Amino acid sequence: DVKVTQSSRYLVKRTGEKVFLECVQDMDHENMFWYRQDPGLGLRLIYFSYDVKMKEKGDIPEGYSVSREKKERFSLILESASTNQTSMYLCASTLGGDSSYEQYFGPGTRLTVT
Amino acid sequence: QKEVEQNSGPLSVPEGAIASLNCTYSDRGSQSFFWYRQYSGKSPELIMFIYSNGDKEDGRFTAQLNKASQYVSLLIRDSQPSDSATYLCAVRGITDSWGKLQFGAGTQVVVTP
Repeated sequence: DVKVTQSSRYLVKRTGEKVFLECVQDMDHENMFWYRQDPGLGLRLIYFSYDVKMKEKGDIPEGYSVSREKKERFSLILESASTNQTSMYLCASTLGGDSSYEQYFGPGTRLTVT
Repeated sequence: QKEVEQNSGPLSVPEGAIASLNCTYSDRGSQSFFWYRQYSGKSPELIMFIYSNGDKEDGRFTAQLNKASQYVSLLIRDSQPSDSATYLCAVRGITDSWGKLQFGAGTQVVVTP
């Protein structure tokens, strides 16, 4: 079974802090994704990565950056946390190539910025 | 116009009945279609996917795809209280590279005993 893990289930940070959210997958997947999910807005793609050190902006990249130094690990960075970044953050991965494209999600990190 | 549309619900279903969820999409060239279940406070989990027109069954779940009409549906037979969740439809469009998916906002299903 695919396993995607995220570093924290719950996180509370102060406005202006730099925040790191980490995601690790153990199935040698090529592609990894970061989403945020807010009530009434659904899943919104922040960034994704299709290879080590390769990244692409999603629909809402402002205020975020990412890092993928190793294939299994994809980090989301909030450079200066703001209250409007309070949300559920979900990491997902997919095999890539000519495979099926189902994404597998980690358990999520509920971030509160005060 | 949203690319993937779902009725937000809630869809109230008596226990033992069939729940029918619909999803429409705008990209006619879409190739792959996925259904996820998400319990409150949890992350989405994949139920099933479908690529070809017609029906695909997996246990109590049946996905139905009609590319000509641009809709995909999910049937849940013999609905149980444990099926109460939000169901997300996801679509891979023809221009979606690197495994990107477009997600609908989800339909909330409530199974009443």
